[in-house]
Amino acid sequence: DAKTTQPNSMESNEEEPVHLPCNHSTISGTDYIHWYRQLPSQGPEYVIHGLTSNVNNRMASLAIAEDRKSSTLILHRATLRDAAVYYCILINTNAGKSTFGDGTTLTVKP
Amino acid sequence: NAGVMQNPRHLVRRRGQEARLRCSPMKGHSHVYWYRQLPEEGLKFMVYLQKENIIDESGMPKERFSAEFPKEGPSILRIQQVVRGDSAAYFCASSPFRVGEQFFGPGTRLTVL
Repeated sequence: DAKTTQPNSMESNEEEPVHLPCNHSTISGTDYIHWYRQLPSQGPEYVIHGLTSNVNNRMASLAIAEDRKSSTLILHRATLRDAAVYYCILINTNAGKSTFGDGTTLTVKP
Repeated sequence: NAGVMQNPRHLVRRRGQEARLRCSPMKGHSHVYWYRQLPEEGLKFMVYLQKENIIDESGMPKERFSAEFPKEGPSILRIQQVVRGDSAAYFCASSPFRVGEQFFGPGTRLTVL
């Protein structure tokens, strides 16, 4: 199964952009890249997903490397409410199985 | 449109008892996923179901655990003869598509005494 690797933790200052990296060097052509975040004692919340092209939505942007072996979640202006554990996961088109990494704990400093 | 519902939110069982966790997906969603999260750890995939079918159960322990998603009613994750190591938060997610956005429920926190 394809796996994802993320840094354990990152820090950011409020109002500044944040780039959260994810490596998925064994990704297959049928794996979609999803990002979710989780606040303490809550279920994960969807952030964004993509297959090959970069994606933008109201929450964030997703930059996918040309070879798809890595991706970066971009929060354009971090707020205190963005402090959470961010998970980069692969969801296979054929199997539907989700492979969660260990996540990156984002701390946002005022 | 109500979100994904899970009940109970908290469940306490003694070793050897059975635990039944329920998940009602969002209206119109036919894809359901179950995940387990041990304290201080990330989410681990357990099983993926579509209505009346188990699509991928590669993350389910081979014994004591089972899941179903009947034609009518909620999806059920059943743990027989619980042990202390089963204590965890169990999250359910639903999706309208196989690789679409997953909407997560609030989770069921199982404590085994």
